[in-house]
Amino acid sequence: KAGVTQTPRYLIKTRGQQVTLSCSPISGHRSVSWYQQTPGQGLQFLFEYFSETQRNKGNFPGRFSGRQFSNSRSEMNVSTLELGDSALYLCASSHRAADTQYFGPGTRLTVL
Amino acid sequence: QQPVQSPQAVILREGEDAVINCSSSKALYSVHWYRQKHGEAPVFLMILLKGGEQKGHEKISASFNEKKQQSSLYLTASQLSYSGTYFCGTGGGADGLTFGKGTHLIIQP
Repeated sequence: KAGVTQTPRYLIKTRGQQVTLSCSPISGHRSVSWYQQTPGQGLQFLFEYFSETQRNKGNFPGRFSGRQFSNSRSEMNVSTLELGDSALYLCASSHRAADTQYFGPGTRLTVL
Repeated sequence: QQPVQSPQAVILREGEDAVINCSSSKALYSVHWYRQKHGEAPVFLMILLKGGEQKGHEKISASFNEKKQQSSLYLTASQLSYSGTYFCGTGGGADGLTFGKGTHLIIQP
C-alpha cells in the first residue's frame, strides 16, 4: 500500500502571501489530520477531516483552513502568511481520528 | 490539553535502559507512541487502549495506568537505532490526538 504523500515538500513564501498544501492519504483511510511542527512547540494539532467534514479544530487562527475532497485527499490553506508560520506541516491519515495515524513526509514551509 | 512528557531529553550508552513518561490531566481513552528521527516523519510504535494492557514489540514496551492518567514507554537494552524524538499522543473518541512536546533520546556507542 502506498503511504501518505504530501506536496510540495518544500516551499518558500514571503509575508502576506497565501499557501496551499496538499495531502493524499493511504487508500481506504477517510480521516486526515493536519499538524504544525516547530522546535519549540512540538506537534500541534491543526484540524481533522473525516468524510469531507471538519470534525475537530485546534487552537489556530482563522487564517488556517482546510478541506477534504470526496476521494479523501485534503488541502490546507494559510492566508496572510506570518514569519511565525514557518514550520513543518505534517498530515496523517487513519481510518478514524483516534486510530493509529500514519504520517506523511511533511511540507517544510519557510516564510521570509 | 497537551500531555506532559518527561524527561525532555536523555542520553544513554548503547545497551542501557530508558523510561519515558507521559501524563495527562484529562481522562485517557488511549495512548499512542511515536518515534521521529531527524528529518523524517513520526512513525507509529504502539497504541494502548483503556484497560491497562501492556504492549510491546522487540525491546520496546509500554504500560498504561488509567487511574494515574499516565503511560510509560520502556526501551530495554537500547540500540543506536532507537535514537530520535519520542512523542506520546492522547485522546479518544472524536477528539483526535493531542501530542506531547516529545522526549529527545540520544544513544551513544
